[in-house]
Order: sequence, then structure tokens, then C-alpha cells
Amino acid sequence: NAGVMQNPRHLVRRRGQEARLRCSPVKGHSHVYWYRQLPEEGLKFMVYLQKENIIDESGMPKERFSAEFPKEGPSILRIQQVVRGDSAAYFCASSRQRQMNTEAFFGQGTRLTVV
Amino acid sequence: AQTVTQSQPEMSVQEAETVTLSCTYDTSESDYYLFWYKQPPSRQMILVIRQEAYKQQNATENRFSVNFQKAAKSFSLKISDSQLGDAAMYFCAYRSAKGDDKIIFGKGTRLHILP
Repeated sequence: NAGVMQNPRHLVRRRGQEARLRCSPVKGHSHVYWYRQLPEEGLKFMVYLQKENIIDESGMPKERFSAEFPKEGPSILRIQQVVRGDSAAYFCASSRQRQMNTEAFFGQGTRLTVV
Repeated sequence: AQTVTQSQPEMSVQEAETVTLSCTYDTSESDYYLFWYKQPPSRQMILVIRQEAYKQQNATENRFSVNFQKAAKSFSLKISDSQLGDAAMYFCAYRSAKGDDKIIFGKGTRLHILP
């Protein structure tokens, strides 16, 4: 029973390049959440998606960041023209349904380093 | 907006002793969920314990228990019989029960277990 799978675990990008982070939710889960964790900080909500829909992107920076969760395949968090300040750990979580008492399962995160 | 505050950046406890991690939160809502997550060096976010705000009884999970004081907006975590494997970052988190799915995290407390 695979949990939430994120890849890559580590990603190094030069300033100005694009970063693509992938998240495969738990089988049967149709809700995906992305969070960002800066060093020595808690996780900060970025975006909530269901299959083919963005439900809440209130935590996403207005520029350079985008997310999708297609009908088939993993959810993708895309960061264009990365800058040093984008260096962080990015976590994905999934849940079965939009019920507040259902648990969100987290992946192990992708650590993005911008050099 | 809801906030979660963990005032202890680091704590240490002797193996087999008991330790309490503090957490306070701010919300105008009456129905919500509170969580403690553990993040070991592997970065995996592991749900330790969950409390529904409408329940007066404090949640317990084996050696982990909470002291939930709704009026004071306090949600502390007690770890009994501390073990070396308990060493990790611990995050207190809040989630509304009203339809806003995002989880709001505190900045974390790093717990060291002294052998």
C-alpha cells in the first residue's frame, strides 16, 4: 500500500531554470495539497487541487508558480525562472475526500536547492 | 486569520522521562481540528495525534496525550516514557471544520532525547 510518493527527493536548479516537482497521491485519493517549508519554519499551504481542478490557490505566489492535477498521472508543482528564495522543501499531501476528519497523508517532500 | 504558535524552538528530555510541548492557537471559529505532527530527519510528516474541538475528552495515543484547553486556546502534547526514536521536530497544526481545507502549522519544536 504505497503512500504519497514525491519525486525527486532532491532537486538542484540554477537561477532562471524551471523546477518540476511531482506528487503521486495515495491510490484512491483525489485531493492533493502542496505545502512549502522554509528552513526552521513550519509548512505553509500553497494550493489545493482535485482531479483537473484547482480548488484553492490562496497560498501560491502570483507569478512563476503553477500547479496541476490531471485526470491521469501525478500532480505537478511547477516553478519557472527559479530564484534563490525558492529554495525550500516542498511537501505534497493527499486525502480521500473533502472531509475535515479524514487524515491527510504527507509525502517525504522534495528539497529544492537553487544555486 | 488563524495562527498557531509554538513558543519553544527546542527542548531536551532524558530518555524514559516525560516532556510536554506547548502550543497555542488563535481562531474565531468554534469547530476545528488540532493536530500534532512529527517530522524526523527523514522529513516524513507523521501524524501523531488528532483532537476534534467539539470533544471535551483529551485524545491519547499510547505514550502520546494532549491537554486541550479550548477556552485558553491551548493544545499541549505530552510524551511519556520518552524514547530515542521520539527525537524529531514536532509541529502543532490547525484545520478549520468549515470547509477551508488548508492546515495551518506552527514553526515547530525540535525535541532532543538524551540517553
